[in-house]
Amino acid sequence: EPEVTQTPSHQVTQMGQEVILRCVPISNHLYFYWYRQILGQKVEFLVSFYNNEISEKSEIFDDQFSVERPDGSNFTLKIRSTKLEDSAMYFCASSEGTGTGRAIGQFFGPGTRLTVL
Amino acid sequence: AQTVTQSQPEMSVQEAETVTLSCTYDTSESDYYLFWYKQPPSRQMILVIRQEAYKQQNATENRFSVNFQKAAKSFSLKISDSQLGDAAMYFCAYKTGTASKLTFGTGTRLQVTL
Repeated sequence: EPEVTQTPSHQVTQMGQEVILRCVPISNHLYFYWYRQILGQKVEFLVSFYNNEISEKSEIFDDQFSVERPDGSNFTLKIRSTKLEDSAMYFCASSEGTGTGRAIGQFFGPGTRLTVL
Repeated sequence: AQTVTQSQPEMSVQEAETVTLSCTYDTSESDYYLFWYKQPPSRQMILVIRQEAYKQQNATENRFSVNFQKAAKSFSLKISDSQLGDAAMYFCAYKTGTASKLTFGTGTRLQVTL
C-alpha cells in the first residue's frame, strides 16, 4: 500500500540554525500538507500546497517557514532560524483531493521529531 | 471559528468489549467532513474512518463505526471487539468543504486491558 515517507525521523539542531524537513507524498496525490504536534498537545495545521503554490496557511506559518516542491516527488518544509518553541513532531500529509468522497482523506507520514537546543 | 472538542482525556476498555469515544464540533458550515485518526505510541497518524456531512448513513470500517448526529454536532467513534493493538490516542478532526486544513481535537487516550 502506498504511503507517505518523511526524512529524517529525528533532527536535532541549535537555536538559530536552518532546518529542512523532507517528505515524499503518495505518488498520485495532488494536495500536500504540513502539520505539527508539540509534545502532549493536539495536532496543528501549518500549511497546504497545491499546484506549486500555498493554498492555505495558519498563523503559525510565519516568515520563518517556507515550503517547496523541488522536483516531482519531494515536498519540503524549511525553518530558516529555529527557535526553542519550534521543537515538535512535524507531520507531512497528502490527499488526492479536498472536496468529494474518499479523495478527501489526508494520509500522514510517520513524522520528523525536531529538537531545538 | 470551527472547534473540535473531545471531552474524554482517557478511556479504558477490556479486550473483546466495545467502547465509544466522544467528539463534538462547532461549525456554521453545511458542507464539511469529519474524521477519526489513531496515533499509537510510534506517533504515526493513521486515518481510521471518515464521514461526509451530507451523508445520513453512518460510516463503518470493519470494527470501527461512527454515530454521526448532525443536529447535535456529535461524531462518536465506536470500536467493537477491542484488541490490544487498538490502544492509542484517538483524535477527532474536522474539515470544511472549501478549506484544506484539518482541525483536530485534543485527543482521547484509549487503554485496552486483558
